[in-house]
Amino acid sequence: NAGVIQTPRHKVTGKGQEATLWCEPISGHSAVFWYRQTIVQGLEFLTYFRNQAPIDDSGMPKERFSAQMPNQSHSTLKIQSTQPQDSAVYLCASKSQNTLYFGAGTRLSVL
Amino acid sequence: AQSVTQPDARVTVSEGASLQLRCKYSSSGTPYLFWYVQYPRQGLQLLLKYYSGDPVVQGVNGFEAEFSKSNSSFHLRKASVHWSDSAVYFCVLSGNNAGAKLTFGGGTRLTVRP
Repeated sequence: NAGVIQTPRHKVTGKGQEATLWCEPISGHSAVFWYRQTIVQGLEFLTYFRNQAPIDDSGMPKERFSAQMPNQSHSTLKIQSTQPQDSAVYLCASKSQNTLYFGAGTRLSVL
Repeated sequence: AQSVTQPDARVTVSEGASLQLRCKYSSSGTPYLFWYVQYPRQGLQLLLKYYSGDPVVQGVNGFEAEFSKSNSSFHLRKASVHWSDSAVYFCVLSGNNAGAKLTFGGGTRLTVRP
C-alpha cells in the first residue's frame, strides 16, 4: 500500500498561469478530500468527493479553483490564473472508516 | 458547530521528559477524535484515534491520549520524548457520519531539546 500519492511534490508557476495538482487515493477508499495549508490560515478545507461525486465544495474559492474526480483512482485540483496568495501546500486525503489518510502534499509556489 | 482548540502553539521539552499536549473540543454530536503528526515537508500522519470505549487510546511510537467527555478534552501524552518527536501535532474532530468534514485544531509545534 503506497498510501495517498500526490504529484508533483513541488510546483512553481508564474502569476496568471494555470496549475493542476494530482491525487491518487488509496485503493478502495470511497472519499477524497482536498485541504490547503498555510502558516497564516493553518489547514483549510477545500472540497470533497464521495464515490467520485462532489459532495461539498464550500471551501473552494469559486472563481479560479475547480476539482474533479473522473474515476476512483485519481482526483485533480485545478487553479486558473494563479495568484501569489495561492501559494500553499495542498493536501489530498482519502478516507476509510472515519479516518483520513493524507498524502505528502504539493507545495505550490506562485512567483 | 464543531471546534477544536489547542491552547499551546509551541511546546519545548527536554529529551526524556514526559509530554502532554492539550486539546479541547466542542461538538454537538458524538465526537470522533484524532491526533495527527506532521514532520517537516511531509503530510499528516495518524497517531491515534478515539471513537468509543476505553477513554485511553494507545497510538504509535508510545503516544497515548485520554478522552474526557466531562472536560471536552482529548489530551495527548508520552512518557518519555525523543528528539525525533519534534514536529507539529494536530488534534482533529470529526462528526459521526462517513462523509463528515474534519475540524482541525491550530496545531502545537513540539521542540525536543537533545
